[in-house]
Amino acid sequence: GAGVSQTPSNKVTEKGKYVELRCDPISGHTALYWYRQSLGQGPEFLIYFQGTGAADDSGLPNDRFFAVRPEGSVSTLKIQRTERGDSAVYLCASSHASGSGQFFGPGTRLTVL
Amino acid sequence: QKEVEQNSGPLSVPEGAIASLNCTYSDRVSQSFFWYRQYSGKSPELIMSIYSNGDKEDGRFTAQLNKASQYVSLLIRDSQPSDSATYLCAVNDGNEKLTFGTGTRLTIIP
Repeated sequence: GAGVSQTPSNKVTEKGKYVELRCDPISGHTALYWYRQSLGQGPEFLIYFQGTGAADDSGLPNDRFFAVRPEGSVSTLKIQRTERGDSAVYLCASSHASGSGQFFGPGTRLTVL
Repeated sequence: QKEVEQNSGPLSVPEGAIASLNCTYSDRVSQSFFWYRQYSGKSPELIMSIYSNGDKEDGRFTAQLNKASQYVSLLIRDSQPSDSATYLCAVNDGNEKLTFGTGTRLTIIP
C-alpha cells in the first residue's frame, strides 16, 4: 500500500501480559517514529529510528518498552508486563528526509484490562 | 520542558467564513512547523508544513510563521463542514521528534 500500515488495529490484553505492535512504513522512508496518544492529548514521542538504529529513544517511559527495526523497514514496538496506564493509541509515522513532515499510520488502540 | 500551546476550543465558525487557528511554542531553536488534521477516531493527517518566516499557501489553507514571536497559525478560507476536526500544531527542534500541542477542536456550522 501507499501509506503507513499498522497491525493490529485493536489489541485488548490483560495486565501483566506482553504485547507486540507492528508498523510498516511508506516504502523508501528511512525515518520511522513511534508516538502514543491518549484521549484529548496530542501524540507523545516515544522513539525514532534512522535506518536500523534507534537514533533517539528518550520518549520511552521505562524499560518495559522496547522497539526494534532489524532490517530498516518494518518496526515492532514491544511492551512487557503491561499496565492499565499503557492503554492508549500507539501511532507509527515515517518520513523521507530529516526535518520533513511525518506521515502517520492508522494506529493501534491498546487496551489493558 | 519544550511546550506547544494551543487553545483547545471548541472553535465554531460559520460555513464559508475564515477559520483561524493559533499556536505558540517555547523553544527558540525550533526549525520546522507542521499542522495536522485529526478526525474523531482517526490518526493525524499532515496538511501543512512551514519552515521560514512569512506565509505559505496551499489551496484553502495558509500557514503563517513568526519565529520572533514564536507563533504559528493556520487559516482555513471558505470553511466547509468537512473541515470540522481537531487541528494539531507540531514543532520539530531539529532533533527529529515532533512536539505536539493538545489540539484545537474546530466545528464548521452549516
